[in-house]
Amino acid sequence: EVQLVESGGGLVQPGGSLRLSCAASGFTFSSYAMHWVRQAPGKGLEYVSAISSNGGSTYYANSVKGRFTISRDNSKNTLYLQMGSLRAEDMAVYYCATQILLSSGWYKIYWGQGTLVTVSS
Amino acid sequence: EIVMTQSPATLSVSPGERATLSCRASQSVSSNLAWYQQKPGQAPRLLIYGASTRATGIPARFSGSGSGTEFTLTISSLQSEDFAVYYCQQYNNWPLWTFGQGTKVEIK
Repeated sequence: EVQLVESGGGLVQPGGSLRLSCAASGFTFSSYAMHWVRQAPGKGLEYVSAISSNGGSTYYANSVKGRFTISRDNSKNTLYLQMGSLRAEDMAVYYCATQILLSSGWYKIYWGQGTLVTVSS
Repeated sequence: EIVMTQSPATLSVSPGERATLSCRASQSVSSNLAWYQQKPGQAPRLLIYGASTRATGIPARFSGSGSGTEFTLTISSLQSEDFAVYYCQQYNNWPLWTFGQGTKVEIK
């Protein structure tokens, strides 16, 4: 069974830093790209960042480019999001997710339960 | 960037009635389209992937259709637990997933 478990959220002051982790199990982690998606209170889903299966390619939304860094450790089956220069508008629940190719030929999306990041002084 | 547009923003439906939600992509996403249900304080719950395949444990009253740029989520007979916000998502365009803005299904 595919499982994604986020951790590392919490309260941080504006301008501060935080590192989120996502522990993966139930699939071959090193074979799949991974993603971070966030949802601010009362808002919709916003795509944040993605990383290729071997970590060689990364993508960032304009809203976080230059402040956030996505990485992965395939030996530990873990995805990371290093967040810096945090702003009030970064306050959100952060989800890690992946799309896995099924034997049917369709991709299925799997999500974690999310971790809350609160940015406040 | 592929823009996903959902309509309507809010849908008022009586229990037992049919609900039809729409999602349009600004360019073709083939059948790489998912639908989610989200209730307050909960993570999105995958309902449909591949535009029309129900996820494990999803009741048969939920169905998805469409391909290319036009997609529909139909809830055949609304139950009380179905009142929630629904999102569509395209995952055709690595690495950029994009989401619709959501449709709130509320009790009429």
